[in-house]
Amino acid sequence: DSGVTQTPKHLITATGQRVTLRCSPRSGDLSVYWYQQSLDQGLQFLIQYYNGEERAKGNILERFSAQQFPDLHSELNLSSLELGDSALYFCASSVVSGSNTGELFFGEGSRLTVL
Amino acid sequence: GENVEQHPSTLSVQEGDSAVIKCTYSDSASNYFPWYKQELGKRPQLIIDIRSNVGEKKDQRIAVTLNKTAKHFSLHITETQPEDSAVYFCAATGANNLFFGTGTRLTVIP
Repeated sequence: DSGVTQTPKHLITATGQRVTLRCSPRSGDLSVYWYQQSLDQGLQFLIQYYNGEERAKGNILERFSAQQFPDLHSELNLSSLELGDSALYFCASSVVSGSNTGELFFGEGSRLTVL
Repeated sequence: GENVEQHPSTLSVQEGDSAVIKCTYSDSASNYFPWYKQELGKRPQLIIDIRSNVGEKKDQRIAVTLNKTAKHFSLHITETQPEDSAVYFCAATGANNLFFGTGTRLTVIP
C-alpha cells in the first residue's frame, strides 16, 4: 500500500459526459501529480500541484482540469469525454517538488472507460 | 523541457541471464534518476534510484549506472527471474517534474 488513495477504481461512462477523479496523497506529501496511461503506453504527465498551487503542466487537454484543495487532496475533472480518453489515470504524491524531487508514490489508478 | 528516451521497448531474456535497459536525458540540470517497475494492471513502484552525485548504485540483483557527461543512465538486472517480468520505466527530474521514458517490457523466459 503506497498510502495514496484514488477513487473511483473503475468508471464507465459515455462520450460527451464529465467525470471527476479524486486523489488523497500520502500523509505529509505536499505534491500531487496526475498521469494518464493509455493501453500499453507510457506515463503521460498531465499536471502537478504543490501545496495547493499549480506547479507544472504537461500535455493536458483543455477539456481536462484539476485542482488541489487546502486539505491537499486533488481532483482531476475530465469533460466532453471522447473514446480516446479511455485510460488508466494515476495520481502520485511526493514530499517535495522541483530540484529536490524524490520518490513518487503512486495510487492504484482510476480506470476510465468511455463508450 | 526534459526529454527522456528509453531503449529497448521490449526485451526478452532467458531466466538467469542479465537484462540491461538504457535511458538518455536532455536536461543537464536533472539530478534525480529513478526506475519504476509496473506489473500488469498494477501501479508503478520504485525499485531503485540514483542522484547525480553518484555514478553507480546497487541493490541485490539490481544496479543503476549514471554517466552525467553523456547524459545517460542504465538499469542492470542480473540473474533474472520470471517475477522480474514487467514494464520498467526510467525517469529524470526537470522543471518541477519527473519525466518518464516510454517503458521497456521485459519478459523473462523460464
